[in-house]
Amino acid sequence: AQSVAQPEDQVNVAEGNPLTVKCTYSVSGNPYLFWYVQYPNRGLQVLLKYITGDNLVKGSYGFEAEFNKSQTSFHLKKPSALVSDSVLYFCAVRDIRSGNEKLTFGTGTRLTIIP
Amino acid sequence: DAGVIQSPRHEVTEMGQEVTLRCKPISGHDYLFWYRQTMMRGLELLIYFNNNVPIDDSGMPEDRFSAKMPNASFSTLKIQPSEPRDSAVYFCASRRGGVTGNTIYFGEGSWLTVV
Repeated sequence: AQSVAQPEDQVNVAEGNPLTVKCTYSVSGNPYLFWYVQYPNRGLQVLLKYITGDNLVKGSYGFEAEFNKSQTSFHLKKPSALVSDSVLYFCAVRDIRSGNEKLTFGTGTRLTIIP
Repeated sequence: DAGVIQSPRHEVTEMGQEVTLRCKPISGHDYLFWYRQTMMRGLELLIYFNNNVPIDDSGMPEDRFSAKMPNASFSTLKIQPSEPRDSAVYFCASRRGGVTGNTIYFGEGSWLTVV
């Protein structure tokens, strides 16, 4: 079975400060990992993904995430938060074992950037 | 390129009525997914297709739900009869197969309210 945990429903950060949105995962094999963002009344858009290679993944809008296999984590980070980053973030995992096409999502973290 | 297209965007229906949600995946994508999003349960995978064939429908909540994909460019999710607890946002998503096709792209969702 595969699962994702986002331990924080809500994260508040002052504008200009660094932000971190936490994600841990559980898979039987090796993971594909994703961060999606959901704007109000819209679908999900991929922000970044880890498939293989460098553990530090850079994505859109200055976001990055680090794949840490020993801690089974894939935390989302940004060095300087913007008010426009205030949306809903989902971490997702897919176990790359053969035949598995399911992408499992965490419960989401709402990020609020305080001006 | 056009993204995943869903219709209707919003629907309000009375309990007991049949609801049909429609999806046009991105051209060339081999996989099509139906997800449901609610406050209580988050994002749940209902069913997915590969090359128009249903592969895993274990997430379909009960027999009132059915999904079809008659061709590569069209899928439907039907609820008959609908109940108030079916009120949710239903997302269709698609992705290309093979090693390169690891990102799932979402439509903007169909917002269903059953009264």
